[in-house]
Amino acid sequence: GESVGLHLPTLSVQEGDNSIINCAYSNSASDYFIWYKQESGKGPQFIIDIRSNMDKRQGQRVTVLLNKTVKHLSLQIAATQPGDSAVYFCAESIHQKGNQFYFGTGTSLTVIP
Amino acid sequence: DVKVTQSSRYLVKRTGEKVFLECVQDMDHENMFWYRQDPGLGLRLIYFSYDVKMKEKGDIPEGYSVSREKKERFSLILESASTNQTSMYLCASSSDPGYGYTFGSGTRLTVV
Repeated sequence: GESVGLHLPTLSVQEGDNSIINCAYSNSASDYFIWYKQESGKGPQFIIDIRSNMDKRQGQRVTVLLNKTVKHLSLQIAATQPGDSAVYFCAESIHQKGNQFYFGTGTSLTVIP
Repeated sequence: DVKVTQSSRYLVKRTGEKVFLECVQDMDHENMFWYRQDPGLGLRLIYFSYDVKMKEKGDIPEGYSVSREKKERFSLILESASTNQTSMYLCASSSDPGYGYTFGSGTRLTVV
C-alpha cells in the first residue's frame, strides 16, 4: 500500500512581517539551547543560542525566548525576508553530559514576497 | 571560521556496496559527529567521537561503523549499503562542551 511520510510543521509569513517559530524540548535538565537554520541542500547553520540562566537573548533580527517552566523555546524573526525561508530547528544539551545535542524535527518557514 | 568539509554532496550506490563518507574539519576540534537526517524524523545520531581512535555509538548505529585515525578526519562506513540507508548524512564538529556544532553541507546518499 501507499506509505505516507511524516511532514514538517510549516509556517508561511508575508515579507516584512514578524515570524515566531516554537519548539518544545524534552529534558528539564537541559541547560543549553541552540536554534539552527537549514536552507535547502545545505547543512544547518547556527543562528543563536541561550543558556538556561537566561530567559531571553537577542541577536540581529532574531530573539530567542526560553520558558523553562513549560520547557518551551521560541525563535522570533523580525521583518522576515525571503532569504529567511528555510527549515529551523532547535537543539538542546545537558552540559554535564558532554557535548551531545538533541535536535527537534524542525519547522519549515516560507516567506511570501 | 570553522570549516567542516564533506567530500561528496551527492552519491548513488548499489545495494550491498561498501560506502565511505568522509568528513574533515580544520579547527582542531576534539568532538566529531555523524547524523542522518530524514523528513519528519529530524537529525538522528549515528556515531560520535571525542578523540582520535575513540568512537561511541549514537542512537542508530546499526549498519554503520566509523573511523577516526586523525583528529581532523571522521569517516562513516556503510558496511553493506541498503535502500533504507538512503538519506542525508551530516557531519558536525565542536570544541569544548557547551558550544554548538559546526555542520558540513551534507551528503545526500541514494542506495538503489
